[in-house]
Amino acid sequence: RKEVEQDPGPFNVPEGATVAFNCTYSNSASQSFFWYRQDCRKEPKLLMSVYSSGNEDGRFTAQLNRASQYISLLIRDSKLSDSATYLCVVTKSGGSYIPTFGRGTSLIVHP
Amino acid sequence: GAGVSQSPSNKVTEKGKDVELRCDPISGHTALYWYRQRLGQGLEFLIYFQGNSAPDKSGLPSDRFSAERTGESVSTLTIQRTQQEDSAVYLCASSAAGGLRGEQFFGPGTRLTVL
Repeated sequence: RKEVEQDPGPFNVPEGATVAFNCTYSNSASQSFFWYRQDCRKEPKLLMSVYSSGNEDGRFTAQLNRASQYISLLIRDSKLSDSATYLCVVTKSGGSYIPTFGRGTSLIVHP
Repeated sequence: GAGVSQSPSNKVTEKGKDVELRCDPISGHTALYWYRQRLGQGLEFLIYFQGNSAPDKSGLPSDRFSAERTGESVSTLTIQRTQQEDSAVYLCASSAAGGLRGEQFFGPGTRLTVL
């Protein structure tokens, strides 16, 4: 099993839709969780950190389920500009805290 | 302030040649990471520098790959005797804190093509 797994998609949704992605991780010692966004042929950029209690930033909500070892990202009222690849990142404690990136989930928002 | 910069932005080389890729992190960032991203694939960790600690080289795919960092500034990634499978985008990221909670800021990458 890969350390961090994501459904590659693509998720093809109309503007205004609500869409959710999950990301599963295999190492129970994982401590920090992030969602990054990567536009086509661009570098990844931090979208949001994921906190144990869940957190929201505008139209974006991130949640962590430690028992089932997954994190989720919910996007409400999708915009065309949300079209991108969403990368799940997990960092485990111990050693030098190397973050592990998932392969990403592709989102396409159409008019 | 300036973000992470990388040079060159594109590099085309012939199989067997050596290449050197440069990364200028954000000033003051103690942590620096190198990743490789093949077309359509995820980010593959290569090496991590944190301050003056010994680098974590656990992601380097072979002894043809090496990297250096001078203090908390510039880093260079060297690939010797390049192979066609080395073709990828090489991304550098820096972080103020590193460790568990440090947000990573990525450079635009160097697109390496080995003919």
